[in-house]
Amino acid sequence: NAGVTQTPKFQVLKTGQSMTLQCAQDMNHEYMSWYRQDPGMGLRLIHYSVGAGITDQGEVPNGYNVSRSTTEDFPLRLLSAAPSQTSVYFCASSYVLGLNEQFFGPGTRLTVL
Amino acid sequence: RKEVEQDPGPFNVPEGATVAFNCTYSNSASQSFFWYRQDCRKEPKLLMSVYSSGNEDGRFTAQLNRASQYISLLIRDSKLSDSATYLCAVITGGGNKLTFGTGTQLKVEL
Repeated sequence: NAGVTQTPKFQVLKTGQSMTLQCAQDMNHEYMSWYRQDPGMGLRLIHYSVGAGITDQGEVPNGYNVSRSTTEDFPLRLLSAAPSQTSVYFCASSYVLGLNEQFFGPGTRLTVL
Repeated sequence: RKEVEQDPGPFNVPEGATVAFNCTYSNSASQSFFWYRQDCRKEPKLLMSVYSSGNEDGRFTAQLNRASQYISLLIRDSKLSDSATYLCAVITGGGNKLTFGTGTQLKVEL
């Protein structure tokens, strides 16, 4: 199993550009989530999904969209990038949140100029 | 008040020392608790879940104090390889959100 994969690993955007961060898992996990990690702020939940076709907002959803058309994939879309979105983004998945281990992807380091 | 709070450290300890971290949570309805370890520029990885009765895994002991709303992590006989950031995490939001503390940095020195 590849586990949780994220692409790209690094990305530089200009303010106003849009892009999609890809996340995929091959463990048949129902629960998937996106976090951003900033110095001194810890990991903050952006969006999460409890299964295909179901998404919900986390702590910091503004400026981001998600969809869950398949169990395996959970892409994160930045609609119009802003410097405040410069961060490290982690995708994570588990069978059931809280009952099973949540596995994290290696992260995407995003810089918005 | 943040939902989950940790002392950011850093905690600098000599090899072989015992070190303890605390983490407080604000929602008394929280049900599940975890400790994660994160190495520099890497993803977090689950270290251990925290059970109501307390639990131990080798040199690591986790405890939960519901009355005072905190969890703790005790590391005995610290190794250089224990140097990392330790994140506590709490299930909130009706069971669908895992909220993290900001992490405590541990540096184990010779």
